[in-house]
Amino acid sequence: DSGVTQTPKHLITATGQRVTLRCSPRSGDLSVYWYQQSLDQGLQFLIQYYNGEERAKGNILERFSAQQFPDLHSELNLSSLELGDSALYFCASSPGTTGELFFGEGSRLTVL
Amino acid sequence: GENVEQHPSTLSVQEGDSAVIKCTYSDSASNYFPWYKQELGKRPQLIIDIRSNVGEKKDQRIAVTLNKTAKHFSLHITETQPEDSAVYFCAASRAYGNNRLAFGKGNQVVVIP
Repeated sequence: DSGVTQTPKHLITATGQRVTLRCSPRSGDLSVYWYQQSLDQGLQFLIQYYNGEERAKGNILERFSAQQFPDLHSELNLSSLELGDSALYFCASSPGTTGELFFGEGSRLTVL
Repeated sequence: GENVEQHPSTLSVQEGDSAVIKCTYSDSASNYFPWYKQELGKRPQLIIDIRSNVGEKKDQRIAVTLNKTAKHFSLHITETQPEDSAVYFCAASRAYGNNRLAFGKGNQVVVIP
């Protein structure tokens, strides 16, 4: 158990819909990262938050947004969903003092 | 941005043999290179990492080598066991502790008993 909690584990929805994925980082970790994992693209960095502020942005679509709350949990919002958004979305946290990322179990999104 | 490529995409080895996975990166400013292992249906987990001030690091049966001049690094697994079967991801970033990691697409390693 990495200490990173993601909900929901599985989500099935239709095209055009909006979903929210939630992540609770390890106790004490200030950084939260979101990654998208699809079969042909590996692990794609989406966005990083540090202590409530956006720190870095990767290949995140404009239809996607995220935030980190004062209690350090984070949410990834995916809207106007398309079939190609079906993927495993990982949240990871890090204390920032070491190089290791601690991944959650992931949220598997299926868009039909 | 950083581009990390892994070769080969799939590797099958006999139990007890060695496995080597190679990665290349594009950003000469990258100086932190971790390897993550992802078992089927599980989350990625760090197995070993190396920083640019060293050329090799070893931890029991796994080792990582780094060639900054050629911008490539490799994972070596010796005496492979069935539990080594997994997808291995290499990654790179510009700063240790700045974990915006750019991952490769992963290598499927299959250890044949």
